[in-house]
Amino acid sequence: GENVEQHPSTLSVQEGDSAVIKCTYSDSASNYFPWYKQELGKRPQLIIDIRSNVGEKKDQRIAVTLNKTAKHFSLHITETQPEDSAVYFCAASNTGNQFYFGTGTSLTVIP
Amino acid sequence: DTAVSQTPKYLVTQMGNDKSIKCEQNLGHDTMYWYKQDSKKFLKIMFSYNNKELIINETVPNRFSPKSPDKAHLNLHINSLELGDSAVYFCASRDTGPNTEAFFGQGTRLTVV
Repeated sequence: GENVEQHPSTLSVQEGDSAVIKCTYSDSASNYFPWYKQELGKRPQLIIDIRSNVGEKKDQRIAVTLNKTAKHFSLHITETQPEDSAVYFCAASNTGNQFYFGTGTSLTVIP
Repeated sequence: DTAVSQTPKYLVTQMGNDKSIKCEQNLGHDTMYWYKQDSKKFLKIMFSYNNKELIINETVPNRFSPKSPDKAHLNLHINSLELGDSAVYFCASRDTGPNTEAFFGQGTRLTVV
């Protein structure tokens, strides 16, 4: 199956700074790359996604970039706020049923 | 209306027991999954079902047996529970096809004592 690696595993930033989380994947057939946010004790929820025909997508303070040639994609959060503190997961999926997650990044935004 | 619901939310049981976790989705999705989230927060896929058919079984001990009576339900039965089975188990569903979001249930925290 797909192998998704995610870095860093933990990340602390000062409020207002930017945070970047990076993922790589192994299956060249993967064409859908969502990012999920999981707050403590809650379920993972989609925050942004990108498809293989797009290089970059932005939604307010959140942006995702994709480099299909290098098989990596990144999540960028600007102007971080304490409520951004959570565990973030990248994932990779192909047109079949495979849906694999990265190992997660625990983000702490320090007020 | 809850899109993906799991029961129970908490489950505490002794080693050696057999237990089941139920999952139902009302989104009309074709595909359902079970994930295990351990103490390190890693979301590991266990099973994937598409239209009641098993698609993925990711090196899960055969003590774990999923059952899908219809495409809206995917239950997980666990035999002879072990301490290492303690984790949060998430059910998820999505439409088959490209570029579709997975929706998660609220999770079941299983504690084996």
